[in-house]
Amino acid sequence: AQTVTQSQPEMSVQEAETVTLSCTYDTSESDYYLFWYKQPPSRQMILVIRQEAYKQQNATENRFSVNFQKAAKSFSLKISDSQLGDAAMYFCAYRRGVIKAAGNKLTFGGGTRVLVKP
Amino acid sequence: DAGVIQSPRHEVTEMGQEVTLRCKPISGHDYLFWYRQTMMRGLELLIYFNNNVPIDDSGMPEDRFSAKMPNASFSTLKIQPSEPRDSAVYFCASRHGQGVNTEAFFGQGTRLTVV
Repeated sequence: AQTVTQSQPEMSVQEAETVTLSCTYDTSESDYYLFWYKQPPSRQMILVIRQEAYKQQNATENRFSVNFQKAAKSFSLKISDSQLGDAAMYFCAYRRGVIKAAGNKLTFGGGTRVLVKP
Repeated sequence: DAGVIQSPRHEVTEMGQEVTLRCKPISGHDYLFWYRQTMMRGLELLIYFNNNVPIDDSGMPEDRFSAKMPNASFSTLKIQPSEPRDSAVYFCASRHGQGVNTEAFFGQGTRLTVV
């Protein structure tokens, strides 16, 4: 079974600074997708960024970027120029790439709370 | 589109009562997921549907939980009888298709408290 681990329960960052969130996963699959979701106090789960395992190039979305290390099974998220609105819980998630029943669910890590100091 | 709509946003009920959570997916989405979020277990998938058909319900904790999707625009998650350990936030999510660019859109969740 796939597992996703986020080892940092909480991270604090100064506004305008950079913070990196760690995520490791365990899988025997070669084809899969990885995601980072943001959950602000409103509870809404919002997709921040996604990465296909077959792509070597790291995904970027504006101030958000990932460092995908497939061999190490690591998928960290970097938030640059942190803003107050970035304060939230961040969840790393895994989804199998094959078209099978079990391939459709997202497996989530335990989450990392990001605090942004003004 | 208004996104995935869940109701109610908050529910407080007494142990032993029946609870029904509702979800309206995004129009055109063919996958619907029910997740539960607790402090102890994090986010876990309960069940998902494809084209209104339940595909994987292995995450449903026990027979007290049941889910239905009578049509493409509506799904329910029912707990009968409810217990205090069912207290959690329940999320519904929908998605169109299978590929990586077909992201799952989540509703705002229903916070259930069983006293």
